[in-house]
Amino acid sequence: SQKIEQNSEALNIQEGKTATLTCNYTNYSPAYLQWYRQDPGRGPVFLLLIRENEKEKRKERLKVTFDTTLKQSLFHITASQPADSATYLCASHNQGGKLIFGQGTELSVKP
Amino acid sequence: ETGVTQTPRHLVMGMTNKKSLKCEQHLGHNAMYWYKQSAKKPLELMFVYNFKEQTENNSVPSRFSPECPNSSHLFLHLHTLQPEDSALYLCASSQDTGVVGTDTQYFGPGTRLTVL
Repeated sequence: SQKIEQNSEALNIQEGKTATLTCNYTNYSPAYLQWYRQDPGRGPVFLLLIRENEKEKRKERLKVTFDTTLKQSLFHITASQPADSATYLCASHNQGGKLIFGQGTELSVKP
Repeated sequence: ETGVTQTPRHLVMGMTNKKSLKCEQHLGHNAMYWYKQSAKKPLELMFVYNFKEQTENNSVPSRFSPECPNSSHLFLHLHTLQPEDSALYLCASSQDTGVVGTDTQYFGPGTRLTVL
């Protein structure tokens, strides 16, 4: 079945370092991937969208890559801050047109 | 704020109760969605409405009944729920569905539902 998978283990990093989160997709080729941020008890908030013909997308301290060979998207936060601590979700449409989300990776940035 | 509001924010109900969740979007979007989010699980898409018409029912049990009177309002009617239905229920809207760049989801804050 078509899946989006993220590392379910929490990622703990030191303030100022670069956080890198991974999103892998299997059994299909999405035309794009979206990344969202979710804080506890709140709805996800859209951050970035990257299309399959875009290798990289940037927004302030955020950078997303899309590697169709590896079937993977990487989400980077440079110069991370404690305020970046949250769960980050990737999402895309599968071939049936249904929007599917990964389970999210929890990021914790320690001061 | 994302422009999507949900009420109530918290709800505790017994298995024999009937209650409704409400969602309203102020973004002029055409599509609205209900999601269920359980602990440690991915978001589960439940229902999709596009221009007030239901376009997706993701094999949701009939004890969940959606209603979309117009493009700005979405309800989820609940009856005879089970304890395993306890979860965060999220409403979202998007400009359209299934088109790159227009189906970015704008989520409400969610309703935390507890079924006793």
